[in-house]
Amino acid sequence: DIQMTQSPSSLSASVGDRVTITCRASQTINSYLNWYQQKPGKAPKLLIYATSSLQRGVPSRFSGSGSGTDFTLTISSLQPEDFAAYYCQQTYSSPQTFGQGTKLEIK
Amino acid sequence: QVQLQESGPRLVKPSETLSLTCTVSSAPISSFYWNWIRQPPGKGLEWIGYIYYSGRTDYNPSLKSRVAMSVDTSKNQVSLKLNSVTAADTAVYYCARDSGSSSSLDYWGQGTLVTVSS
Repeated sequence: DIQMTQSPSSLSASVGDRVTITCRASQTINSYLNWYQQKPGKAPKLLIYATSSLQRGVPSRFSGSGSGTDFTLTISSLQPEDFAAYYCQQTYSSPQTFGQGTKLEIK
Repeated sequence: QVQLQESGPRLVKPSETLSLTCTVSSAPISSFYWNWIRQPPGKGLEWIGYIYYSGRTDYNPSLKSRVAMSVDTSKNQVSLKLNSVTAADTAVYYCARDSGSSSSLDYWGQGTLVTVSS
């Protein structure tokens, strides 16, 4: 199985901050990397697919980049509603696997 | 707006079979991959597997011996069965759609907590 490692596991930041979350795959996954946001008690929500494509309806302050094994999710200016958990997911090979998650908290 | 709704028993006894159904509204079952994902309380996401509308499946090897998925196109439903459950199978179970074109999960059900306990 391809292991997905996110860093950091938790992060404290303030409204207006620029935040970057990293996801590293244990082997190359080309661009088959997605990002999800999950708020407490809710289902995950797709933010970014195929490394850098913004899902419709998702604010443009979210962006994704990377290739091969190293990927990033960037939030350009944190808003109050962005405080949540974030997960990366690879769909390059089966079984699909998720990162362990990054919890973004208010400083 | 595509909607997915999981349903089924919330409490299952150890060694028995967990059975869930995902009912899809406002979109046909056909031409999509239907995934099941679970999340133990306070933990991360685990992909269980998917079923294509044609019936083709792909399961996580860690669960493959205990999992079965099926599709009922006439009812616009997909189903999950997980047998020989233990407390480690206690989790929120989600169904989610993969459009195939983007290889990502674009619509999710709200999830249902299934507890394994005697």
